[in-house]
Amino acid sequence: TQLLEQSPQFLSIQEGENLTVYCNSSSVFSSLQWYRQEPGEGPVLLVTVVTGGEVKKLKRLTFQFGDARKDSSLHITAAQPGDTGLYLCAGAEGAQKLVFGQGTRLTINP
Amino acid sequence: ETGVTQTPRHLVMGMTNKKSLKCEQHLGHNAMYWYKQSAKKPLELMFVYSLEERVENNSVPSRFSPECPNSSHLFLHLHTLQPEDSALYLCASSRNLDRVNTEAFFGQGTRLTVV
Repeated sequence: TQLLEQSPQFLSIQEGENLTVYCNSSSVFSSLQWYRQEPGEGPVLLVTVVTGGEVKKLKRLTFQFGDARKDSSLHITAAQPGDTGLYLCAGAEGAQKLVFGQGTRLTINP
Repeated sequence: ETGVTQTPRHLVMGMTNKKSLKCEQHLGHNAMYWYKQSAKKPLELMFVYSLEERVENNSVPSRFSPECPNSSHLFLHLHTLQPEDSALYLCASSRNLDRVNTEAFFGQGTRLTVV
C-alpha cells in the first residue's frame, strides 16, 4: 500500500499570514485530491490534480502536483479563521481506493 | 438535502450490543465506501461496493458486516465491538471506480463510542 506523509501535522498561525502544507510519497499516484474536514463533519473535496506539474487555484488556495506525481502542496495566501480545519491529501491507488495522509490540522487565529 | 447522509450522527453502544450504521447517497453514484477515522491516524478504507457488489474488504474484523441493498444505500452492521473500535465512521460515494477520477463525496460521519 502506498503511503502519503503530510507535513506539518499541526500548524497555528495568525490571520493574514501565508502558509504551505505538503503531501509527499515515494510512490506515483494517478491523481491526487485535497480535502478539508471541519470538526463534526466529513471531509469535503477541494480539488483534484491529475497532471504532473499541474497548478490549480481556488480563491486564496493554490494547489500544485509535483512533476513526478509523487507529491503535492497547498499554499494559502492571507489565511482567514474560516480556513481552520483538517486538510487531507489523498492519492488514487488503482481503480478502487484512495490512500489518505494523516492530515494537517490548521488553526488560524484572529 | 446533502449528497451523502449518515445516521445516526452519534452512537454509544456496549460491547454486547448490535447496532447498524446507515448511509444514503442522492448523487446517482455507483460506488460506495466505508472509512474509519481514528485520532492521529489516516483515514482507513474498510469496504468498497460497486453496483451493490463488494469489491474490497481491507482485512476488517468480522464484527463489522457491511450490506449494500442497492446503489443508494449502504449499511454497516456492528456486533460485539471492542473499545478500540470507537472512532468516526465515514461513508463516501463516487461516480464510478475510476482510476483517475476517484473523487469521494463524504457523509458527516457517525461518531461511535464503544463502552
